[in-house]
Amino acid sequence: DAGVIQSPRHEVTEMGQEVTLRCKPISGHNSLFWYRQTMMRGLELLIYFNNNVPIDDSGMPEDRFSAKMPNASFSTLKIQPSEPRDSAVYFCASGSGGVFQPQHFGDGTRLSIL
Amino acid sequence: EDQVTQSPEALRLQEGESSSLNCSYTVSGLRGLFWYRQDPGKGPEFLFTLYSAGEEKEKERLKATLTKKESFLHITAPKPEDSATYLCAVQVNDYKLSFGAGTTVTVRA
Repeated sequence: DAGVIQSPRHEVTEMGQEVTLRCKPISGHNSLFWYRQTMMRGLELLIYFNNNVPIDDSGMPEDRFSAKMPNASFSTLKIQPSEPRDSAVYFCASGSGGVFQPQHFGDGTRLSIL
Repeated sequence: EDQVTQSPEALRLQEGESSSLNCSYTVSGLRGLFWYRQDPGKGPEFLFTLYSAGEEKEKERLKATLTKKESFLHITAPKPEDSATYLCAVQVNDYKLSFGAGTTVTVRA
């Protein structure tokens, strides 16, 4: 079975550039999550979509961050303009929704902003 | 505020040397507790869900238990391939997981 697919796996870019991260969730899952992982703060939830609708974006750090889910099989996380402190590993996860249902993670995008 | 604390931060074991990892939590309403395994350069891989105090789950050399304040992940007779970071997460509402910082386990042959 195909898991959650993220692209690119690695991204290195200059400060001020726009960065777009992509995610394809597991087919049939109606919940999608974007996380950020750093050594200092661990795994943090950025935004949660249910049935393609953003439900909770309280974890999005600033207006420079935006996320979309135009259909059930695709989501993007965009940072514009990017800053060095945005350097982290960004994970996408999907799930079938509800209490007790596990989230299944992709292998992440390692983002470095120079 | 919801808190999830994992200990120890790191654990070095000899192959075959059993041990336990701890996850203690303070949450206003526990909906479930999850254990994940994360290998370097990979995303967290789901292991177990525990729903209520007294529950136990097993998978190969791993056994997870849950009380009202903490969970343990027991590793029995570990092998080098059990080396990974183990993450604990509590579900604090219908969808949100609050993760601990993880325990990095290294098993030497």
